[in-house]
Amino acid sequence: AQKVTQAQTEISVVEKEDVTLDCVYETRDTTYYLFWYKQPPSGELVFLIRRNSFDEQNEISGRYSWNFQKSTSSFNFTITASQVVDSAVYFCALMTTDSWGKFQFGAGTQVVVTP
Amino acid sequence: ETGVTQTPRHLVMGMTNKKSLKCEQHLGHNAMYWYKQSAKKPLELMFVYNFKEQTENNSVPSRFSPECPNSSHLFLHLHTLQPEDSALYLCASSQGWPEQFFGPGTRLTVL
Repeated sequence: AQKVTQAQTEISVVEKEDVTLDCVYETRDTTYYLFWYKQPPSGELVFLIRRNSFDEQNEISGRYSWNFQKSTSSFNFTITASQVVDSAVYFCALMTTDSWGKFQFGAGTQVVVTP
Repeated sequence: ETGVTQTPRHLVMGMTNKKSLKCEQHLGHNAMYWYKQSAKKPLELMFVYNFKEQTENNSVPSRFSPECPNSSHLFLHLHTLQPEDSALYLCASSQGWPEQFFGPGTRLTVL
């Protein structure tokens, strides 16, 4: 069985604060992919990052950084120096090679950044 | 990338109406997907098309009828819907890599 847990329902921060979104996943498959998507109020899901199970290197892209730890089955996402435009729902997702094309999405975390 | 477009963006229909949602991808992808996103529920995969062939129907009621005339276009035909079908319907496409690229969605309200 596959499962993605985003325990934080909503996080509110003031602009310029850092915010970390937690994602814990479960799968018995040894080959899998992890993703983060952003859903702003306009509705579309914006692809942010993909990580495969063999690559535990952390990644930084501008103000975004991701921490992948297989030992704790976690793939956490940090926004540094948050901005109002970061306000959105963020989804963590899992896809295995056995279920190609089928995401297992987490419930999402609503991030609210106030000026 | 915003290479996936959906029309209309908003739709209000009665339970006896027939309407269609349209999705078009400009990314040259060969796989297209329909998802349903209801309030307080995770995204639900509805249909998958690969090279115009339907490869997945996730137990979707027959009042939803998909059509994929070519690799760039995907339709979702709606008839005799129920109020619980009100949701955001998202289209996505992919090619090779596992990530999918989503359109802006159609916000559907069934009265």
